[in-house]
Amino acid sequence: DAGVIQSPRHEVTEMGQEVTLRCKPISGHDYLFWYRQTMMRGLELLIYFNNNVPIDDSGMPEDRFSAKMPNASFSTLKIQPSEPRDSAVYFCASSSRASRSNQPQHFGDGTRLSIL
Amino acid sequence: GENVEQHPSTLSVQEGDSAVIKCTYSDSASNYFPWYKQELGKRPQLIIDIRSNVGEKKDQRIAVTLNKTAKHFSLHITETQPEDSAVYFCAASMRYNFNKFYFGSGTKLNVKP
Repeated sequence: DAGVIQSPRHEVTEMGQEVTLRCKPISGHDYLFWYRQTMMRGLELLIYFNNNVPIDDSGMPEDRFSAKMPNASFSTLKIQPSEPRDSAVYFCASSSRASRSNQPQHFGDGTRLSIL
Repeated sequence: GENVEQHPSTLSVQEGDSAVIKCTYSDSASNYFPWYKQELGKRPQLIIDIRSNVGEKKDQRIAVTLNKTAKHFSLHITETQPEDSAVYFCAASMRYNFNKFYFGSGTKLNVKP
């Protein structure tokens, strides 16, 4: 399996622009998580999905952030309009819940986002 | 919700020594505890995990112990090597919460050659 695939790996854009981050989870995984990582705040869970349905978006910073999962193999995280304080590494992770017990989350390589 | 605290925030050891990182959790419903290693510029990767029905688990030079009564769990790395240098994160997950992880704040381990 190729693992969790994220694109782009790096994104540099000017404030006010729309940014779209993409994620392809591991095939067969029914949970998908979006995290943001910064030095100041560590790993923050933004939102997660189960079977393509958003379960908890309480970590989404504000209305400028939105996430979708139109099918089991694709998710997007969108920031519009972007601001310099959104600069961070954004990770996508996926997992399954085999045998009704919690399983490890597998992380993608992340998107390093810089908003100028 | 769950609160996971991790200590120390930084740890420096000499190559060959042991390293111990400790985490505490608040919710007794937590029953799954993974540990992740994140090298600089890389993604977090699972290195070991433990479930609440087990008190200790080992995998070569790394081990994890769990004390459910005290609500704490620890990562032990023996015979440390320079390639063990990384940030380590602990996490806790509850049986009823859809695989959601509560992460600790991370420990930066530096192994000096």
